[in-house]
Amino acid sequence: ETGVTQTPRHLVMGMTNKKSLKCEQHLGHNAMYWYKQSAKKPLELMFVYNFKEQTENNSVPSRFSPECPNSSHLFLHLHTLQPEDSALYLCASSPGTSATYEQYFGPGTRLTVT
Amino acid sequence: EDQVTQSPEALRLQEGESSSLNCSYTVSGLRGLFWYRQDPGKGPEFLFTLYSAGEEKEKERLKATLTKKESFLHITAPKPEDSATYLCAVRGSSNTGKLIFGQGTTLQVKP
Repeated sequence: ETGVTQTPRHLVMGMTNKKSLKCEQHLGHNAMYWYKQSAKKPLELMFVYNFKEQTENNSVPSRFSPECPNSSHLFLHLHTLQPEDSALYLCASSPGTSATYEQYFGPGTRLTVT
Repeated sequence: EDQVTQSPEALRLQEGESSSLNCSYTVSGLRGLFWYRQDPGKGPEFLFTLYSAGEEKEKERLKATLTKKESFLHITAPKPEDSATYLCAVRGSSNTGKLIFGQGTTLQVKP
């Protein structure tokens, strides 16, 4: 595997389900990110982790719960979601959180909440 | 508040017809301006980083330029495979890694 991988690629869940999204980066980076991409809206940053520590939570509802066990893996645990949470969820990584570093994105998980 | 506006929202070109995409930004202490390409159903693919006004970078048919208020992505003699959504993002003087994205320009190049 190379780059940033995400599983599953597609997920359909009911509002009462609990599911998790997984992201893995094979780039040796230290920072990882979750973004939400909704139709006709800019990418929205959700969470930032640097060396496994959360450094930013962009006012995300508690029904989204991130977990970063090490610098290579990032999870997004989902529970009691709403239909408006349907979107493409993107994971990204970068060498660190210094402002000059570019971020590399995974292919995303297309989430549909029914 | 940091802000990025991209124009046009959509652009249709004939193969070989050169054009430019615009990214206007407002940010406190620009630390970097980033261009990405996103194909349908995929994650954004990194293209360029520009750090200071006057800087230019090129890759194949793409050339990115930067001024103090905007960036342009020039596409020279585009091909159908250049069809994609092009995203612009900026990062300001905060060092938490937060990128502010524009809404993107969707480019369609017809043969």
